[in-house]
Amino acid sequence: LAKTTQPISMDSYEGQEVNITCSHNNIATNDYITWYQQFPSQGPRFIIQGYKTKVTNEVASLFIPADRKSSTLSLPRVSLSDTAVYYCLVGDLEDSNYQLIWGAGTKLIIKP
Amino acid sequence: DAGVTQSPTHLIKTRGQQVTLRCSPKSGHDTVSWYQQALGQGPQFIFQYYEEEERQRGNFPDRFSGHQFPNYSSELNVNALLLGDSALYLCASSWGTGGFADTQYFGPGTRLTVL
Repeated sequence: LAKTTQPISMDSYEGQEVNITCSHNNIATNDYITWYQQFPSQGPRFIIQGYKTKVTNEVASLFIPADRKSSTLSLPRVSLSDTAVYYCLVGDLEDSNYQLIWGAGTKLIIKP
Repeated sequence: DAGVTQSPTHLIKTRGQQVTLRCSPKSGHDTVSWYQQALGQGPQFIFQYYEEEERQRGNFPDRFSGHQFPNYSSELNVNALLLGDSALYLCASSWGTGGFADTQYFGPGTRLTVL
Protein backbone atom coordinates (compact mmCIF):
# COMPACT_ATOMS: atom_id res chain seq x y z
CA LEU A 1 0.00 0.00 0.00
CA ALA A 2 1.15 3.51 -0.77
CA LYS A 3 2.32 5.42 2.27
CA THR A 4 0.76 8.62 0.92
CA THR A 5 -2.71 9.95 0.08
CA GLN A 6 -3.26 12.75 -2.44
CA PRO A 7 -6.29 14.24 -4.18
CA ILE A 8 -6.96 12.51 -7.48
CA SER A 9 -7.30 15.75 -9.42
CA MET A 10 -7.25 19.53 -9.10
CA ASP A 11 -8.07 22.45 -11.37
CA SER A 12 -6.68 25.97 -11.28
CA TYR A 13 -6.08 28.96 -13.54
CA GLU A 14 -3.01 30.56 -15.01
CA GLY A 15 -1.27 32.96 -12.66
CA GLN A 16 -2.71 31.39 -9.52
CA GLU A 17 -0.78 29.74 -6.73
CA VAL A 18 -1.55 26.02 -6.48
CA ASN A 19 -1.18 24.01 -3.31
CA ILE A 20 -1.31 20.21 -3.41
CA THR A 21 -1.49 18.50 -0.04
CA CYS A 22 -0.29 14.99 0.63
CA SER A 23 -1.15 12.95 3.70
CA HIS A 24 1.43 10.55 5.14
CA ASN A 25 0.19 9.62 8.60
CA ASN A 26 2.63 6.74 9.03
CA ILE A 27 5.79 8.60 8.08
CA ALA A 28 8.84 7.20 9.83
CA THR A 29 11.52 9.18 11.60
CA ASN A 30 14.07 8.71 8.82
CA ASP A 31 11.68 9.28 5.92
CA TYR A 32 12.08 12.19 3.54
CA ILE A 33 9.25 13.60 1.44
CA THR A 34 9.80 13.88 -2.30
CA TRP A 35 7.63 15.27 -5.08
CA TYR A 36 7.82 14.39 -8.75
CA GLN A 37 6.09 15.86 -11.80
CA GLN A 38 5.12 13.83 -14.84
CA PHE A 39 3.90 14.94 -18.25
CA PRO A 40 2.06 12.49 -20.52
CA SER A 41 4.31 9.85 -22.07
CA GLN A 42 7.39 11.16 -20.27
CA GLY A 43 9.32 9.98 -17.25
CA PRO A 44 8.71 11.65 -13.87
CA ARG A 45 10.88 14.64 -13.03
CA PHE A 46 12.14 15.47 -9.55
CA ILE A 47 10.65 18.69 -8.19
CA ILE A 48 11.59 19.03 -4.56
CA GLN A 49 12.51 17.09 -1.43
CA GLY A 50 12.39 17.91 2.25
CA TYR A 51 12.43 16.57 5.79
CA LYS A 52 10.81 19.29 7.89
CA THR A 53 9.66 22.93 7.92
CA LYS A 54 10.02 24.60 4.53
CA VAL A 55 12.11 23.97 1.46
CA THR A 56 12.15 26.26 -1.56
CA ASN A 57 13.81 25.96 -4.93
CA GLU A 58 13.46 27.70 -8.26
CA VAL A 59 10.22 25.94 -9.18
CA ALA A 60 8.33 25.15 -5.97
CA SER A 61 8.09 25.27 -2.21
CA LEU A 62 7.45 22.39 0.14
CA PHE A 63 5.78 23.01 3.48
CA ILE A 64 6.04 20.34 6.18
CA PRO A 65 4.35 20.86 9.56
CA ALA A 66 6.02 19.86 12.80
CA ASP A 67 4.22 16.50 13.05
CA ARG A 68 5.27 15.67 9.45
CA LYS A 69 2.01 13.78 8.87
CA SER A 70 1.30 15.85 5.79
CA SER A 71 3.09 18.09 3.33
CA THR A 72 2.05 20.71 0.83
CA LEU A 73 3.62 21.34 -2.53
CA SER A 74 3.18 24.96 -3.55
CA LEU A 75 3.52 26.04 -7.17
CA PRO A 76 3.63 29.84 -7.52
CA ARG A 77 1.89 31.54 -10.46
CA VAL A 78 1.18 28.43 -12.49
CA SER A 79 1.04 28.40 -16.26
CA LEU A 80 -0.61 26.04 -18.74
CA SER A 81 2.66 24.08 -18.93
CA ASP A 82 2.28 23.08 -15.28
CA THR A 83 -0.57 20.77 -16.28
CA ALA A 84 0.77 17.38 -15.24
CA VAL A 85 0.49 14.60 -12.68
CA TYR A 86 2.23 15.27 -9.36
CA TYR A 87 3.40 12.43 -7.13
CA CYS A 88 4.18 12.61 -3.43
CA LEU A 89 6.49 9.92 -2.05
CA VAL A 90 8.00 9.25 1.35
CA GLY A 91 10.98 7.05 2.07
CA ASP A 92 14.27 6.60 3.82
CA LEU A 93 17.18 8.03 1.85
CA GLU A 94 19.55 5.50 3.40
CA ASP A 95 17.44 2.36 3.33
CA SER A 96 18.23 0.38 0.19
CA ASN A 97 15.83 -2.38 1.24
CA TYR A 98 12.71 -0.27 1.18
CA GLN A 99 10.78 0.08 -2.05
CA LEU A 100 9.01 3.30 -2.79
CA ILE A 101 5.34 2.80 -3.61
CA TRP A 102 3.96 5.23 -6.15
CA GLY A 103 0.27 6.08 -5.92
CA ALA A 104 -1.79 7.41 -8.80
CA GLY A 105 -0.70 10.99 -8.07
CA THR A 106 -2.66 14.22 -8.43
CA LYS A 107 -3.68 15.26 -11.91
CA LEU A 108 -3.37 19.05 -12.03
CA ILE A 109 -5.15 20.86 -14.85
CA ILE A 110 -4.38 24.53 -15.43
CA LYS A 111 -6.95 26.51 -17.37
CA PRO A 112 -6.40 29.76 -19.28
CA ASP B 1 25.58 16.26 -19.71
CA ALA B 2 23.32 13.57 -21.13
CA GLY B 3 20.48 12.51 -18.95
CA VAL B 4 18.98 9.05 -18.81
CA THR B 5 18.43 7.61 -22.25
CA GLN B 6 16.25 4.69 -23.25
CA SER B 7 15.81 2.73 -26.44
CA PRO B 8 13.72 2.10 -28.35
CA THR B 9 11.08 4.80 -27.82
CA HIS B 10 8.26 2.65 -29.11
CA LEU B 11 7.91 -1.06 -29.68
CA ILE B 12 5.13 -3.31 -30.93
CA LYS B 13 5.23 -7.03 -30.21
CA THR B 14 2.81 -9.92 -30.32
CA ARG B 15 1.83 -12.21 -27.48
CA GLY B 16 4.42 -14.82 -26.64
CA GLN B 17 7.34 -12.87 -28.04
CA GLN B 18 10.33 -11.63 -26.09
CA VAL B 19 11.53 -8.04 -25.81
CA THR B 20 14.68 -6.27 -24.63
CA LEU B 21 14.67 -2.66 -23.52
CA ARG B 22 17.83 -0.66 -22.93
CA CYS B 23 18.81 2.14 -20.60
CA SER B 24 21.88 4.32 -20.17
CA PRO B 25 22.04 6.09 -16.82
CA LYS B 26 22.87 9.72 -16.22
CA SER B 27 26.59 10.40 -16.18
CA GLY B 28 28.04 9.61 -12.76
CA HIS B 29 25.15 7.38 -11.70
CA ASP B 30 25.71 3.73 -10.87
CA THR B 31 22.25 2.52 -9.89
CA VAL B 32 19.46 1.73 -12.32
CA SER B 33 15.83 1.02 -11.49
CA TRP B 34 13.12 -0.16 -13.84
CA TYR B 35 9.44 0.68 -13.58
CA GLN B 36 6.28 -0.32 -15.43
CA GLN B 37 3.61 2.33 -15.79
CA ALA B 38 0.16 1.44 -17.06
CA LEU B 39 -2.05 4.17 -18.41
CA GLY B 40 -3.46 6.38 -15.67
CA GLN B 41 -1.43 4.76 -12.90
CA GLY B 42 1.75 5.55 -11.06
CA PRO B 43 4.98 3.73 -11.85
CA GLN B 44 5.33 0.23 -10.41
CA PHE B 45 8.78 -0.85 -9.33
CA ILE B 46 10.17 -3.88 -11.21
CA PHE B 47 13.76 -4.16 -9.95
CA GLN B 48 16.92 -2.24 -9.21
CA TYR B 49 20.50 -2.95 -10.24
CA TYR B 50 23.61 -1.85 -8.43
CA GLU B 51 27.16 -3.09 -9.06
CA GLU B 52 25.83 -5.40 -11.79
CA GLU B 53 23.55 -7.25 -9.37
CA GLU B 54 19.83 -7.16 -8.78
CA ARG B 55 19.51 -5.50 -5.40
CA GLN B 56 15.76 -5.34 -4.99
CA ARG B 57 12.77 -6.70 -6.85
CA GLY B 58 9.15 -5.70 -6.94
CA ASN B 59 6.17 -7.97 -7.35
CA PHE B 60 6.82 -9.04 -10.93
CA PRO B 61 7.07 -12.60 -12.30
CA ASP B 62 10.28 -14.23 -13.43
CA ARG B 63 9.38 -13.40 -17.03
CA PHE B 64 10.88 -10.03 -16.19
CA SER B 65 14.64 -10.15 -15.95
CA GLY B 66 17.43 -7.68 -16.22
CA HIS B 67 21.09 -7.06 -16.44
CA GLN B 68 23.54 -4.30 -15.63
CA PHE B 69 26.78 -3.92 -17.51
CA PRO B 70 30.16 -2.68 -16.21
CA ASN B 71 29.46 0.76 -17.72
CA TYR B 72 26.27 0.87 -15.57
CA SER B 73 23.90 0.65 -18.52
CA SER B 74 21.08 -1.82 -18.12
CA GLU B 75 18.67 -4.03 -20.00
CA LEU B 76 15.17 -5.17 -19.14
CA ASN B 77 14.03 -8.42 -20.73
CA VAL B 78 10.47 -9.63 -20.82
CA ASN B 79 9.70 -13.16 -22.02
CA ALA B 80 6.41 -14.69 -23.14
CA LEU B 81 4.73 -11.34 -23.54
CA LEU B 82 1.13 -10.94 -22.44
CA LEU B 83 -1.37 -8.32 -23.48
CA GLY B 84 -1.17 -6.94 -19.95
CA ASP B 85 2.51 -6.16 -20.41
CA SER B 86 1.55 -3.23 -22.63
CA ALA B 87 2.79 -0.17 -20.75
CA LEU B 88 5.36 2.59 -20.54
CA TYR B 89 8.61 1.16 -19.21
CA LEU B 90 10.68 3.67 -17.33
CA CYS B 91 14.30 3.54 -16.37
CA ALA B 92 15.60 5.69 -13.52
CA SER B 93 19.16 6.23 -12.39
CA SER B 94 20.61 7.38 -9.12
CA TRP B 95 23.93 7.39 -7.37
CA GLY B 96 25.44 5.32 -4.64
CA THR B 97 24.09 3.00 -2.05
CA GLY B 98 21.35 5.29 -0.88
CA GLY B 99 17.77 4.26 -0.52
CA PHE B 100 14.98 4.38 -3.02
CA ALA B 101 13.89 7.74 -1.68
CA ASP B 102 17.05 9.27 -3.06
CA THR B 103 16.54 11.48 -6.07
CA GLN B 104 15.97 9.42 -9.18
CA TYR B 105 16.40 10.71 -12.70
CA PHE B 106 14.01 9.16 -15.17
CA GLY B 107 14.39 8.51 -18.85
CA PRO B 108 11.65 9.24 -21.37
CA GLY B 109 10.46 5.65 -21.31
CA THR B 110 9.78 2.95 -23.87
CA ARG B 111 6.18 2.50 -24.93
CA LEU B 112 5.56 -1.24 -25.38
CA THR B 113 2.41 -2.40 -27.12
CA VAL B 114 1.60 -6.11 -27.11
CA LEU B 115 -0.94 -7.24 -29.70
